[in-house]
Formats: sequence, structure tokens, C-alpha cells
Amino acid sequence: AQKVTQAQTEISVVEKEDVTLDCVYETRDTTYYLFWYKQPPSGELVFLIRRNSFDEQNEISGRYSWNFQKSTSSFNFTITASQVVDSAVYFCALSERSYNTDKLIFGTGTRLQVFP
Amino acid sequence: EAQVTQNPRYLITVTGKKLTVTCSQNMNHEYMSWYRQDPGLGLRQIYYSMNVEVTDKGDVPEGYKVSRKEKRNFPLILESPSPNQTSLYFCASSLIPGELFFGEGSRLTVL
Repeated sequence: AQKVTQAQTEISVVEKEDVTLDCVYETRDTTYYLFWYKQPPSGELVFLIRRNSFDEQNEISGRYSWNFQKSTSSFNFTITASQVVDSAVYFCALSERSYNTDKLIFGTGTRLQVFP
Repeated sequence: EAQVTQNPRYLITVTGKKLTVTCSQNMNHEYMSWYRQDPGLGLRQIYYSMNVEVTDKGDVPEGYKVSRKEKRNFPLILESPSPNQTSLYFCASSLIPGELFFGEGSRLTVL
């Protein structure tokens, strides 16, 4: 069965610190997709990134970077030089892709608080 | 403006009184889905739909029904709501599976 674990329930940092949010997944499929979503205090959910199981290249987008390691079944998210606006709950998600299904499993989320 | 619209945004109801939460998207997306968000449990998928007339169960479908008669609409039906269905509900649509556009959420309280 597929599962996503975000062991860090809450993280607090001071502005400009780097912070890494951990995501560990379980799946028996060889083809799958991993995602990160952000939920700021206002409540909306925002898509951040999608990564497929065949692409282990790390990705960087501004202050955000993602490290995908199949050997450890992890898809970690790092925010460099954090800012108060990064305060949010971050969700990691997994989708196994086979014909005619699109089930998505989310982790329980990590609440990040960035203090000025 | 591209959006997913849910109604109602807030609802307080009583056990057993049937209700429908509507969801509509204006982006011509094929994929739509419903999630519930509960403290400590994250987001859990209720139902999803790959296209018109194609729906399937997510992880927590018990007590819910859906229908997809038109591409833009994907209502969530609670035939006989119970207090354990008190939750924050999100509808989402996507062009690419998993890259979800979410609605603003509907907070439901069942007394």
C-alpha cells in the first residue's frame, strides 16, 4: 500500500535560516509521482512541484529546492533564507499511476513558522 | 479568471439531513476530486473523477456520493450526514493528474 510520512509536525525558524521539510514515501509501483503543496494561513492550497519516479534530478526554483532520492524513498523540500511569508503548512503527496486511476495520497503536513 | 468554486463555504447542519456541496471549474479540466482535511490527518481523498461519468473511490468514500454528469461540475453529496463528517472539504480540478487547482474550501459542521 502507498503511504506518505511527514514526521515533522511543526518546525519553527527565524527569518533567513535554511529549513528542510522531510517527506518519506512507500509504494510498490515503479511508476509514481510526488508532489508538494503549500497551505498558507489564509487556507488555500497551492501546488508547488511535481516529480516523476524516473527523474531523480534535484530541482531549484528561487529559494525553493527539492531533493528526490529513490534509494531512501525521500522527497525533501528545502527553503533557503526563509521569510515570514513562507509560514504555512506544507504537504507532500504521492500518486501511483496506472491505467485509469488517479489516486493521490497526502502526508499529514508540516507546519512551518518563520519568525522575524 | 481560472477558478474552482465551491458552495456553500460554510454550513452547519444536523445529523441525517441530506446536503450537497457543489463544485464547479472553468478551466475545462478532465480530472476532478474531493478531499477532506482534518487536524492531524492531513488531506484525504474522498472521490475522484477522470472524466464525465467516470468516478472512483479515494481513501475515505464511506458516507459520500458524487456524480460527474458535466465536465465542469462535480458535486459531493452527503445522503445522511453524521458528526464524524464534520470537516473542511476541498474540491480540486487538474489538467495534469496531481497538479491540483483547489477551491477555497467548505467548512461543514454536523450537529
